[in-house]
Amino acid sequence: DGGITQSPKYLFRKEGQNVTLSCEQNLNHDAMYWYRQDPGQGLRLIYYSQIVNDFQKGDIAEGYSVSREKKESFPLTVTSAQKNPTAFYLCASSTRGGGGFFGPGTRLTVL
Amino acid sequence: AQSVAQPEDQVNVAEGNPLTVKCTYSVSGNPYLFWYVQYPNRGLQFLLKYITGDNLVKGSYGFEAEFNKSQTSFHLKKPSALVSDSALYFCAVTASNTGKLIFGQGTTLQVKP
Repeated sequence: DGGITQSPKYLFRKEGQNVTLSCEQNLNHDAMYWYRQDPGQGLRLIYYSQIVNDFQKGDIAEGYSVSREKKESFPLTVTSAQKNPTAFYLCASSTRGGGGFFGPGTRLTVL
Repeated sequence: AQSVAQPEDQVNVAEGNPLTVKCTYSVSGNPYLFWYVQYPNRGLQFLLKYITGDNLVKGSYGFEAEFNKSQTSFHLKKPSALVSDSALYFCAVTASNTGKLIFGQGTTLQVKP
């Protein structure tokens, strides 16, 4: 089955730790995206990538990093520089000009 | 700069009545417009999109949306609402030349029996 997966579903982080959220797609989509969702604030774009080995900052990239070494994978690292990382993180992929297909999300909580 | 506005935080309708969820956008270049629905603690589900062609776009679950270039709007509509339509709805836009997909703040739709 084609789709997009995110893991883990729930993630707990201690203050000062870096954590990496996984996003994998087998849809052969060129573009991939990471969004952060907070209550009442909709989806905010963190990073996006339109091609392997290239990515651009979104509106709230500070404290996050990504890589795009393979077409299928777009992992997001939440670094200790992100002061308020508790949120729901959504990954999406799309063809150019197509709508995004979303993964089920990862809920990150800082302890 | 790209932006999307959903002016209503919440829309309340009675079951069986028509519903409209509003969306306006701003992009330079040709817009690609999308509607998504989100149920609690889930990812977003694609409803419909406008790329080009007929201004009235039909999507999943009986939803449709009308693209209005002069008003830069892409309102989501359904002729007869169901209680099961109650969810959070997002409008999104990307410009044909950027690939950057931007979302509105979301509108909660509450359909009451």
